Amino acid sequence: SAVISQKPSRDICQRGTSLTIQCQVDSQVTMMFWYRQQPGQSLTLIATANQGSEATYESGFVIDKFPISRPNLTFSTLTVSNMSPEDSSIYLCSVVTVTDTQYFGPGTRLTVL
Amino acid sequence: QKEVEQNSGPLSVPEGAIASLNCTYSDRGSQSFFWYRQYSGKSPELIMFIYSNGDKEDGRFTAQLNKASQYVSLLIRDSQPSDSATYLCAPREGFDNQGGKLIFGQGTELSVKP
Repeated sequence: SAVISQKPSRDICQRGTSLTIQCQVDSQVTMMFWYRQQPGQSLTLIATANQGSEATYESGFVIDKFPISRPNLTFSTLTVSNMSPEDSSIYLCSVVTVTDTQYFGPGTRLTVL
Repeated sequence: QKEVEQNSGPLSVPEGAIASLNCTYSDRGSQSFFWYRQYSGKSPELIMFIYSNGDKEDGRFTAQLNKASQYVSLLIRDSQPSDSATYLCAPREGFDNQGGKLIFGQGTELSVKP
């Protein structure tokens, strides 16, 4: 398995500000993803974090709003930019291990006022 | 549009019974299938995955896969109140088992009554 940590675990932010979420995994992984889970909903994939290159975004998500970095095999960041109350959600980092198994981090609970 | 359909629930079973969670998917190219459990306020936790048609058992859990019918299920034997959670079915997109995106269903809420 993989041990994944996310920082911060939760935050309350003001409209118009930005928040950067960090994801650290304890072993090398083949892929890293960022998901969003809105209240009462299932998981929605935001993007695939690619090492050393631009992330691959899903339909409806853009780099200007959700810039992502992945400088190495075990670390990634997601920034939620120019936040609005509609961005209030849980943001989850997810990794695929070398055994091709996918795990989720503990999540970051974001509230935008 | 690739879709995953699960029983909407909530599914209520008595303690000690077998809980059966069902999932159908539209992507014929999916080759691997994951089941996650999510407790309220927590992140999804991997229960098990299955690649081959038939059954795969892990403790009290059995995953069943029928690719021809595009159907996957999860059986929980001897259900316990601690199994009460939302169960997410997630086929992996594409024609290979390596690193493709998971497609999530809406999940089935299971409630195990003491």
